[in-house]
Amino acid sequence: GQNIDQPTEMTATEGAIVQINCTYQTSGFNGLFWYQQHAGEAPTFLSYNVLDGLEEKGRFSSFLSRSKGYSYLLLKELQMKDSASYLCAVPIRGYNKLIFGAGTRLAVHP
Amino acid sequence: DVKVTQSSRYLVKRTGEKVFLECVQDMDHENMFWYRQDPGLGLRLIYFSYDVKMKEKGDIPEGYSVSREKKERFSLILESASTNQTSMYLCASSPGTEEKLFFGSGTQLSVL
Repeated sequence: GQNIDQPTEMTATEGAIVQINCTYQTSGFNGLFWYQQHAGEAPTFLSYNVLDGLEEKGRFSSFLSRSKGYSYLLLKELQMKDSASYLCAVPIRGYNKLIFGAGTRLAVHP
Repeated sequence: DVKVTQSSRYLVKRTGEKVFLECVQDMDHENMFWYRQDPGLGLRLIYFSYDVKMKEKGDIPEGYSVSREKKERFSLILESASTNQTSMYLCASSPGTEEKLFFGSGTQLSVL
């Protein structure tokens, strides 16, 4: 079966750094996606990791450890607009579908 | 940019009504998906389609059906709406296997 776990809520201060963790258990792992979703809006793609290690994309970085079934999203220099839900998702090997975690709601305070 | 358009942003229906949710994508994507999103449960896959007239059940297909007569259009049908189908419905498309999804802006359906 598949299982994806993320913390439900996190808070952080503007200008700080926050790390959002995601652990997963899947059969036939083949990469991990991160999406951002602002309240009332559609999810938008942030990153896709298929190899172990850290991938940096501006203020956002994503890390993957396949052996540990673990990923994190690192947000630097937090801005108020980063207040959103962050969803991690894994594709099911051989199928054209993603399984999503329940999402982490991040609140950034001044 | 890929555009995925859902026909309605908000819908209010009565219990027992037949409900159609329409989704159109403009980038010739092979795959289309219907998810529902509920607080604390995240996105759950209802149905997906990898080709015209092809469909596969997702994790929660009960009470729903789908139609894909043309590549760009994927419809979700609630045969007899019930109050537990009140939810945000998100359509998505992707070009191929294990590629990122592009989402529509969602339809908030309330069944009274």
